[in-house]
Amino acid sequence: GAVVSQHPSRVICKSGTSVKIECRSLDFQATTMFWYRQFPKQSLMLMATSNEGSKATYEQGVEKDKFLINHASLTLSTLTVTSAHPEDSSFYICSAREDGTADQPQHFGDGTRLSIL
Amino acid sequence: GEDVEQSLFLSVREGDSSVINCTYTDSSSTYLYWYKQEPGAGLQLLTYIFSNMDMKQDQRLTVLLNKKDKHLSLRIADTQTGDSAIYFCAESSGGYQKVTFGTGTKLQVIP
Repeated sequence: GAVVSQHPSRVICKSGTSVKIECRSLDFQATTMFWYRQFPKQSLMLMATSNEGSKATYEQGVEKDKFLINHASLTLSTLTVTSAHPEDSSFYICSAREDGTADQPQHFGDGTRLSIL
Repeated sequence: GEDVEQSLFLSVREGDSSVINCTYTDSSSTYLYWYKQEPGAGLQLLTYIFSNMDMKQDQRLTVLLNKKDKHLSLRIADTQTGDSAIYFCAESSGGYQKVTFGTGTKLQVIP
């Protein structure tokens, strides 16, 4: 079945560091990928929709200069948390839908746990 | 905007059936999903149902949809300790639209 790989699975770094998270569709092409954020004991909130070859669409309240998204190919989207601070510590999950399968659910990566000290 | 609500907690004894309920507000919801998340892990798709269906059964899982009341339920038969996790109800109004997640229901299975 379709697999979404997310890397790294866990990051611990100092405040002020920029962190890049990768989301890859391993065996299918995905023009559209999604980035979600999950705070402890809370639900997933959509941050942005990543579109291959064009600018990402950010949800209200999400700083686009803080969370840089690049979707340079049909199998890779990256989320860069710039100058990360402790309040950015969270669980980030990406998802992708295979092109041409509008009636199928999205496939999720395993998530990246980001801890900023 | 879209809103998806679930009860926060459910406790059942091993071997009993579990029923997790969900309500949503978006009348244009086309796809409704149930995801499972174990501690510290990502999301696992359990099952999904199209809005033109009333019921879907897959082994121990039964999904019921009442579109009129915008109510979705997940029944887990013969609940096992390995079923302990957080279960998220989710909806999407279109094939390429974003997925809106519920608040999650923590299922605790007592041996």
